[in-house]
Amino acid sequence: DAMVIQNPRYQVTQFGKPVTLSCSQTLNHNVMYWYQQKSSQAPKLLFHYYDKDFNNEADTPDNFQSRRPNTSFCFLDIRSPGLGDAAMYLCATATGIPNQPQHFGDGTRLSIL
Amino acid sequence: GDSVTQMEGPVTLSEEAFLTINCTYTATGYPSLFWYVQYPGEGLQLLLKATKADDKGSNKGFEATYRKETTSFHLEKGSVQVSDSAVYFCALSESGGYNKLIFGAGTRLAVHP
Repeated sequence: DAMVIQNPRYQVTQFGKPVTLSCSQTLNHNVMYWYQQKSSQAPKLLFHYYDKDFNNEADTPDNFQSRRPNTSFCFLDIRSPGLGDAAMYLCATATGIPNQPQHFGDGTRLSIL
Repeated sequence: GDSVTQMEGPVTLSEEAFLTINCTYTATGYPSLFWYVQYPGEGLQLLLKATKADDKGSNKGFEATYRKETTSFHLEKGSVQVSDSAVYFCALSESGGYNKLIFGAGTRLAVHP
């Protein structure tokens, strides 16, 4: 089945230690998104790529960066994680065609020690 | 800007009860509307969608009708099951802009035997 895969499902890192989360897709979608979701809240969009074009949300902290080396993969880099960055991180994809839904992975839960 | 408002939870029901989760939206254009469901520890799954006024989306016994006159997209199910316990998110996709989603705050549903 075509899908969105996030690895790992659980990630533990130390305060201030860089961490990278990964997302891959077999849907061949043009658009990939990264969301941060804290407990009992809606997902918050951090940024998205349309092909190689990067689009940052205005309130996304500089601590968060992303790379998309090819259509299938997208990475979220957190340069110096703080305790407030502990959350579920969700990757999603979409075709880019109007009215089409986003497809989500199962997320990576990040804990900061 | 565009926004989505959902009824606050949690919603607690007995098995086989009727479910309604209210959702209203504000949009300047002609958005598509979605309901996503999130089970504990998982990503979001598309439940149903509607792309224009008077469309009815349906899936797994859930239904929602796109009502332009009342700017609403209420989720209904005639008989809930314990397995429907999850968080439900109403979302709109702006008429332009890479399928970008605007989420409501989410409504937690708990169904008891």
